[in-house]
Amino acid sequence: ETGVTQSPTHLIKTRGQQVTLRCSSQSGHNTVSWYQQALGQGPQFIFQYYREEENGRGNFPPRFSGLQFPNYSSELNVNALELDDSALYLCASSPRTGGGEAFFGQGTRLTVV
Amino acid sequence: AQSVTQLDSQVPVFEEAPVELRCNYSSSVSVYLFWYVQYPNQGLQLLLKYLSGSTLVKGINGFEAEFNKSQTSFHLRKPSVHISDTAEYFCAVTMPYNNNDMRFGAGTRLTVKP
Repeated sequence: ETGVTQSPTHLIKTRGQQVTLRCSSQSGHNTVSWYQQALGQGPQFIFQYYREEENGRGNFPPRFSGLQFPNYSSELNVNALELDDSALYLCASSPRTGGGEAFFGQGTRLTVV
Repeated sequence: AQSVTQLDSQVPVFEEAPVELRCNYSSSVSVYLFWYVQYPNQGLQLLLKYLSGSTLVKGINGFEAEFNKSQTSFHLRKPSVHISDTAEYFCAVTMPYNNNDMRFGAGTRLTVKP
């Protein structure tokens, strides 16, 4: 059984650019959530996807968008990058949307310069 | 909406000493509670969870936590820590039957000294 994997592990982008981060969910999990963790802070919920549909969104602007594919893998897209977008982006998968723990990947460290 | 407060940003402790990391939650309804650990440059690993039932929850690596509804707390404890326990610890809360928008505390940095 493979765990949650994210790619790439590190990324450097220039302000104004666009970025796509990828996540493969754990086998058997149909729910994927994305979190932003700024340095020295706890993770902040961005949004969740359940069976290819958005199922809840945190307090993030529309330039943060996502997709979930039929195999339950997911992408996080961020447009018009700002310096404050520099953070660790964490993907978490769950076997269902109705409660229980989330299993996290190693994260993607995004640096915006 | 539910929220979590971790009362200590940093906890230094000597090896083999006991430790308690404090977490208080706020919610108008029943909740699920979690403790995660994060080692440097890594993601989050689940230590333990409280969903229902016994208020004393045992987790991995010798950690345990007690759910106290009257005090709205979920403190994490370990009777004897090791150097390898040095990490960031996060308390988190979700509503039952809906695990989107898991709310995390700001974290507690546990440093175990020899």
